[in-house]
Order: sequence, then structure tokens, then C-alpha cells
Amino acid sequence: AQTVTQSQPEMSVQEAETVTLSCTYDTSESNYYLFWYKQPPSRQMILVIRQEAYKQQNATENRFSVNFQKAAKSFSLKISDSQLGDTAMYFCENTMSNYKLTFGKGTLLTVNP
Amino acid sequence: DAGVIQSPRHEVTEMGQEVTLRCKPISGHNSLFWYRQTMMRGLELLIYFNNNVPIDDSGMPEDRFSAKMPNASFSTLKIQPSEPRDSAVYFCASSLDARQPQHFGDGTRLSIL
Repeated sequence: AQTVTQSQPEMSVQEAETVTLSCTYDTSESNYYLFWYKQPPSRQMILVIRQEAYKQQNATENRFSVNFQKAAKSFSLKISDSQLGDTAMYFCENTMSNYKLTFGKGTLLTVNP
Repeated sequence: DAGVIQSPRHEVTEMGQEVTLRCKPISGHNSLFWYRQTMMRGLELLIYFNNNVPIDDSGMPEDRFSAKMPNASFSTLKIQPSEPRDSAVYFCASSLDARQPQHFGDGTRLSIL
């Protein structure tokens, strides 16, 4: 079965510092898609970043970047210059080529002033 | 773009009653997803439609749950009869296709007494 593991249930970081959230997944396919979503206290889920497995270049989106290690099946999210508004639950998600998708359990990130 | 619209935002009802949750996806999106989120189980994919056809309903917990998508602009998730353990936040999301980022609605907080 397809699995996505986020090993850090909770993390905290000081404002303006950098934090990395881990995600590992298990797939036998070579082509798939990976996503990070954030869910702030307002509850709405918002896309943070997307990575296509066949692209070697790590995706970046402003202060958010990923470290995609295909061989290790690792997809960590780095948040630079953390802001109070980054406080949220972060979910890692894997979509396979057959459109099966799986979310991780989430990491609750708190940014402290 | 109005985003994904879910109704109602909150629903409180007694066990045994029928509950119907509604979703209007973003116009032009071909994929629609229903999720359930609880503290205990996290975010669970219930069912996924592509071009109005159910593709994967393996996450539907039991026969009391049913989902329909009669046209490209409307979907319902029905629970009949409802039970207290169905209490959760139910999200609807849509995307251009399953490999593209999902856009989530604000969710329906369902409480079964």
C-alpha cells in the first residue's frame, strides 16, 4: 500500500529562522507527483509547493523550497525566514500515475515571535 | 474565481438523521475529491471523481456513505443514517486533473449528537 510518513508531529521555530519538515513516501513507480499543503488555524487547505518526480530540479516558491531525494524517497520542505503567518499544519501528499493519492498525518508547525 | 464552495459550513443533527453535504467545484476542473478530517484519523480521502465518474471510492467507510456528481458543477456527499462517529470536518477539493494541485473548500463541520 502507498504510504506517506511525516515523522515530526510537531515542530517549533523562532521567527526569521529556517525550519525543515520531513516527509518520506513509499512507491514502486518512477513517475508521480508530490505536494506540500498547509492548513492554518482558519482551517482552509492551501497548496504550498508541487514537485514532479521526473524533474530533478528541486521546486521553489519564494521562501519555500523542497529537498527532493528520489532514491531515498524523501521530500522535505524548507521554510526560510519563518513568519508568524507560517504557523499551520503542514501535509505532505503523494499522487501516483494511476491517480491514487495519499496524505501524511501532518506536522504542526508553530512560529514563535 | 469563486473557489470551491461547500455548504453548509456547519451542521448539527441528531444520530439517525440523513445528512447531505454539497460542493461546487471550480469551473473547468475535471477532478473532485471528498475528504474527512478528524484528530484521531487525520485527513482521509473518501472518494475521487474524474469527469463526473467515481474513480476511487475505496475510502468510503461504509454503505451509510454515498457520493454523487450529477454534473460538472455539483457534487453531494450523503450519510444515512448518521452516527456520532461521523462527526468531523468534511472537505471538498477540485483540480484540473488528479496530478495538478487541489483547491480546497472551507469545509463543513459536521456534529452528530
